[in-house]
Amino acid sequence: GAGVSQTPSNKVTEKGKYVELRCDPISGHTALYWYRQSLGQGPEFLIYFQGTGAADDSGLPNDRFFAVRPEGSVSTLKIQRTERGDSAVYLCASSLFGVAPYNEQFFGPGTRLTVL
Amino acid sequence: DAKTTQPPSMDCAEGRAANLPCNHSTISGNEYVYWYRQIHSQGPQYIIHGLKNNETNEMASLIITEDRKSSTLILPHATLRDTAVYYCIVRADQTGANNLFFGTGTRLTVIP
Repeated sequence: GAGVSQTPSNKVTEKGKYVELRCDPISGHTALYWYRQSLGQGPEFLIYFQGTGAADDSGLPNDRFFAVRPEGSVSTLKIQRTERGDSAVYLCASSLFGVAPYNEQFFGPGTRLTVL
Repeated sequence: DAKTTQPPSMDCAEGRAANLPCNHSTISGNEYVYWYRQIHSQGPQYIIHGLKNNETNEMASLIITEDRKSSTLILPHATLRDTAVYYCIVRADQTGANNLFFGTGTRLTVIP
């Protein structure tokens, strides 16, 4: 079956611009996660959705970052007024549920964001 | 979640067993040990997890010491496709604690 997909695979933008990154989770997965990975580092948690609601957004670095999941499936990560420091690979993951033993996370290939 | 310590890099000859250590000396009684790996330019992939008993699946074995302060991931017959960064993560499985805290992991290179 289809795994987690993310679009676009690469995004180049200019400082100050607005970007949207899309995640299509595995069908039927109720939990969805966003992570950010800088070069040479492990992924860092940003936000976790259970259904349509953000159950934990403690990893969002500031109010320029926002994510939605209006129908409990596809999610969009939105970044306003991008900065060069936002350049990273943005990873999305989904799990069947948010609690054990059904919370194994399946990751997408990521979107590489470059802010010039 | 407890902190983990892993060596930054390791080499392993193709066909030999790869033993990747992880220290988690501050682990709590309700925290599980998870292992993920990340092949270059891909998202992380779940490998295995355990609480206190040793675990085995089609990918690997997980050996957890009796005091649970360290563990070892074993890839029994490493192949070139196992070259990746391996992350050891300690996490409590409870509602609300669903995000994974990745460190910098161990970069395993399988040598032909």
